[in-house]
Amino acid sequence: DAGVIQSPRHEVTEMGQEVTLRCKPISGHNSLFWYRQTMMRGLELLIYFNNNVPIDDSGMPEDRFSAKMPNASFSTLKIQPSEPRDSAVYFCASTLNADTQYFGPGTRLTVL
Amino acid sequence: TQLLEQSPQFLSIQEGENLTVYCNSSSVFSSLQWYRQEPGEGPVLLVTVVTGGEVKKLKRLTFQFGDARKDSSLHITAAQPGDTGLYLCAGVYNFNKFYFGSGTKLNVKP
Repeated sequence: DAGVIQSPRHEVTEMGQEVTLRCKPISGHNSLFWYRQTMMRGLELLIYFNNNVPIDDSGMPEDRFSAKMPNASFSTLKIQPSEPRDSAVYFCASTLNADTQYFGPGTRLTVL
Repeated sequence: TQLLEQSPQFLSIQEGENLTVYCNSSSVFSSLQWYRQEPGEGPVLLVTVVTGGEVKKLKRLTFQFGDARKDSSLHITAAQPGDTGLYLCAGVYNFNKFYFGSGTKLNVKP
């Protein structure tokens, strides 16, 4: 299996622009997690889905952030409008029955 | 404020030395996991501990879960340069919600 796939690997954008991060989980996994990692706050859980349904989005910082999972093989995290404080590495992870989480390589986002 | 506090934050040691990393919380978890993350990559799971007082060994790494399931430690014996990385503990609530500690950045010098 190719593992969790994230795209793009790097994104540089200007403040106010819309950013869309993409994730393809491991085939057969039924839960998907979006995390954000910064030096100041470490690794924070933003939202997780179980069987494509959002279960807990209490970690989403504000309304500018939204996440979707239209099917079992694809999820997006969107930031609109983006701000410099959103700069971070965003990870997607998938798991079967919330056991071992397999993380993707991350998307490094820089908002100027 | 982090739910899980890890110490030390940074550790730089010589090859062959032993070290211990701590993960502490005031909360009780259903389980606790340890991950290692290398630069430019996502964290990789090392171990999951479930039972209070449980000890698990993975070659030179020994993991212990506190009796009250609020804290954990990771001990590395005879560290090697290949052990270099960011070590993260994660407390698991209700088997499906994960809270990560702030991490311990380990550098093992040859």
